[in-house]
Amino acid sequence: GQNIDQPTEMTATEGAIVQINCTYQTSGFNGLFWYQQHAGEAPTFLSYNVLDGLEEKGRFSSFLSRSKGYSYLLLKELQMKDSASYLCAVRAWGNYQLIWGAGTKLIIKP
Amino acid sequence: DAEITQSPRHKITETGRQVTLACHQTWNHNNMFWYRQDLGHGLRLIHYSYGVQDTNKGEVSDGYSVSRSNTEDLPLTLESAASSQTSVYFCASSDQAATSGNTIYFGEGSWLTVV
Repeated sequence: GQNIDQPTEMTATEGAIVQINCTYQTSGFNGLFWYQQHAGEAPTFLSYNVLDGLEEKGRFSSFLSRSKGYSYLLLKELQMKDSASYLCAVRAWGNYQLIWGAGTKLIIKP
Repeated sequence: DAEITQSPRHKITETGRQVTLACHQTWNHNNMFWYRQDLGHGLRLIHYSYGVQDTNKGEVSDGYSVSRSNTEDLPLTLESAASSQTSVYFCASSDQAATSGNTIYFGEGSWLTVV
């Protein structure tokens, strides 16, 4: 079957670092995406990983291990505006669609 | 700037009425998608299209239809609106270039309430 798991909710402190994990099971793998979604808004693209390793983009980094079916999104120097849901999504081979996780709601406290 | 727009952004309709949500993208993307998003379910795929005259059913297609007569538009029609179709609907598009990872970009969403 195809499945994506991520924690439902996480809380972190402004200025700190938080890691949001995502595990997946798919029939073939062709890329993993992270999206950010603020309440009442559309998801916006954050990162794309297709090879193992870490991709860094400013305060945000995304890691992928294909052998473990595992990814994480690392957010550094947290700001209040980072309060949002973070969606993990996976693409299977030969497919333009994405399989979506339910999202992790990140709450940032002062 | 290229973009993807949805209309209407908010709509209230009555049970049994036909409703059409419009989606227009100016990226010239071949791939277009309609999702609904509900608490506890995340994003669920309703219909998708990989090009003009191509349409396919997603995981929650019952009660919905789409048509693709040109590259830019993929309207979503609710044939006979039901209260269970109260949701927020997102249109999305992506290109077919492998180098970009076929990243999906979303419209702003259409909030539909069926009373």
